[in-house]
Amino acid sequence: NAGVTQTPKFRVLKTGQSMTLLCAQDMNHEYMYWYRQDPGMGLRLIHYSVGEGTTAKGEVPDGYNVSRLKKQNFLLGLESAAPSQTSVYFCASTHQRLASYEQYFGPGTRLTVT
Amino acid sequence: DAKTTQPTSMDCAEGRAANLPCNHSTISGNEYVYWYRQIHSQGPQYIIHGLKNNETNEMASLIITEDRKSSTLILPHATLRDTAVYYCIVRPRQNEGGATNKLIFGTGTLLAVQP
Repeated sequence: NAGVTQTPKFRVLKTGQSMTLLCAQDMNHEYMYWYRQDPGMGLRLIHYSVGEGTTAKGEVPDGYNVSRLKKQNFLLGLESAAPSQTSVYFCASTHQRLASYEQYFGPGTRLTVT
Repeated sequence: DAKTTQPTSMDCAEGRAANLPCNHSTISGNEYVYWYRQIHSQGPQYIIHGLKNNETNEMASLIITEDRKSSTLILPHATLRDTAVYYCIVRPRQNEGGATNKLIFGTGTLLAVQP
């Protein structure tokens, strides 16, 4: 049971390039989330999904797109990267009926846009 | 979701209890208090949550005041590995009031456990 995994762990992009971050969970969780964390700040919600085939916007969705084609995977896309998107990206998941409703977080992807 | 106020940083001696306060004076009746922590460069980790009764698990204890306007997370015997940023979050439980289990993180309290 690997929990929540994120690919890649590190990436450097040039302004205007595109990329996709992959989040995978093997806990059969319904809900999945993408957050970003800038230096010295708390996490901010980008997009989330309450089930396969559904997505919704969080606090800071601009510049990002997401897809949830399979229950276990949640993809975060940057179509045209900007330096303001330099951040650490965390994925999380939770079970709809988990008693504590705790979110399980992945190890993060450190993205630098030059 | 109600806002929370936490001190920016705290120190604690190794082996002593760490008491981390959180103010949530605008909490509503259906909102729970959750605590997460984030050890440097890692993803946040769930610690504990509660509604109005005190709670204890293998990691910590949560003391919520009777009026629910504040709470304290207690790490009974802090170790160096407890050095982390601790986040206090209030939110409805899932599916109550249309909630979707979103977490709103503040800047938390940086707990530094000193040897």
